[in-house]
Amino acid sequence: EIVLTQSPGTLSLSPGERATLSCRASQTVSNKYLAWYQQKPGQAPRLLIYGASSRATDIPDRFSGSGSGTDFTLTISRLEPEDFAVYYCQQYVNSPLTFGGGTKVEIK
Amino acid sequence: QVQLQESGPGLVKPSETLSLTCAVSGYSLSNGYHWGWIRQPPGKGLEWIGSIYHAGSSCYNPSLQSRVTLSLDTSENQFSLKLSSVTAADTAVYYCTRLRPCSAGSCCPPDYWGQGTLVTVSS
Repeated sequence: EIVLTQSPGTLSLSPGERATLSCRASQTVSNKYLAWYQQKPGQAPRLLIYGASSRATDIPDRFSGSGSGTDFTLTISRLEPEDFAVYYCQQYVNSPLTFGGGTKVEIK
Repeated sequence: QVQLQESGPGLVKPSETLSLTCAVSGYSLSNGYHWGWIRQPPGKGLEWIGSIYHAGSSCYNPSLQSRVTLSLDTSENQFSLKLSSVTAADTAVYYCTRLRPCSAGSCCPPDYWGQGTLVTVSS
């Protein structure tokens, strides 16, 4: 099973600042089968990024994904008030599909 | 616009079978796509349960596979999850999803989600 470790656990930033979230895999995630989700309280997760760097439908271009192998990054270039949420990474190269523990982006 | 809505009992007794249904609107299940389930224990992270395709392919979490049954009902345009022999550890919000097509085949990231339904396992 591929274990995904997200860091930091919590990121305290102000609107307008840049957010950099990390997802490290315990083994290589080949073909860049890595996705990112955003989840707000009481809501279902929303797919942001798939294939490590492709934005899902209707996702603003301030969200970008990068990385390969075992190290992946989600960057939010300028935080908007609606971006404060929990973010999860997921690998879909090996069964079981697994998720990271999440990074909470909170208002500083 | 594709919409998914979970339904089913909110309380299940230990050792019994949890049964949930996901009604789909805005898209016909018989036209394709993989459909799946993910759960989230209260205050915790996400766990993949499994997915199914109308042509029969699937993607299960091996740790749950022996207790999970997934099925599609194209006539009712809905799909279902049955999880047997439940314990308190199965208490979670259960989400039904539609998977985005990808080259990974049956195991792809979901791009449509239901709102989720909380199922509590307790006597």
